[in-house]
Amino acid sequence: EDQVTQSPEALRLQEGESSSLNCSYTVSGLRGLFWYRQDPGKGPEFLFTLYSAGEEKEKERLKATLTKKESFLHITAPKPEDSATYLCAVRIPSGSRLTFGEGTQLTVNP
Amino acid sequence: ETGVTQSPTHLIKTRGQQVTLRCSSQSGHNTVSWYQQALGQGPQFIFQYYREEENGRGNFPPRFSGLQFPNYSSELNVNALELDDSALYLCASNPGRGGEETQYFGPGTRLLVL
Repeated sequence: EDQVTQSPEALRLQEGESSSLNCSYTVSGLRGLFWYRQDPGKGPEFLFTLYSAGEEKEKERLKATLTKKESFLHITAPKPEDSATYLCAVRIPSGSRLTFGEGTQLTVNP
Repeated sequence: ETGVTQSPTHLIKTRGQQVTLRCSSQSGHNTVSWYQQALGQGPQFIFQYYREEENGRGNFPPRFSGLQFPNYSSELNVNALELDDSALYLCASNPGRGGEETQYFGPGTRLLVL
């Protein structure tokens, strides 16, 4: 069965303290790994799509990387406005549905 | 802004009632997917429609049903509401059918079943 596991469940950082969020997956024939940001009570906001091992993408303070078994979301010098839940999702060949992890709740204190 | 809108934003129902949630996809997006997100969890896939036909379904009972219309709008209907149906319901759209396209989410409808 396809599985997506995110860790840690929650992370507290001080402003400027860099860290990484992990998304490990067990799927057959990955057709894309997606990172979303979700603020409380709102819909997920698209951040990145990664398709193959070794691929990296960056946006402002965020950088996403992908291996054959996991993806990392690196946050460099975070700010309080980066506080949100970060969701990882995978897509498999049998359809275009997304299978999500439980998310990592990130809090950045000033 | 993703161009995906949902209505209503909040809704309160009682157990056993029926509810219809609505989604308006971005113009040109032929695929719409619906997800249920319980508090503190990741979204769970309910079903997907492509050009008005169901294109996949998750592990949800038949009392969850949907429709997609030619004008890029869609509906999620839930019959015989149960307390566990309380959740944030999200719709997402993308232009084609499957593939490696990104799904763009709406703001969601928060449903509370009492």
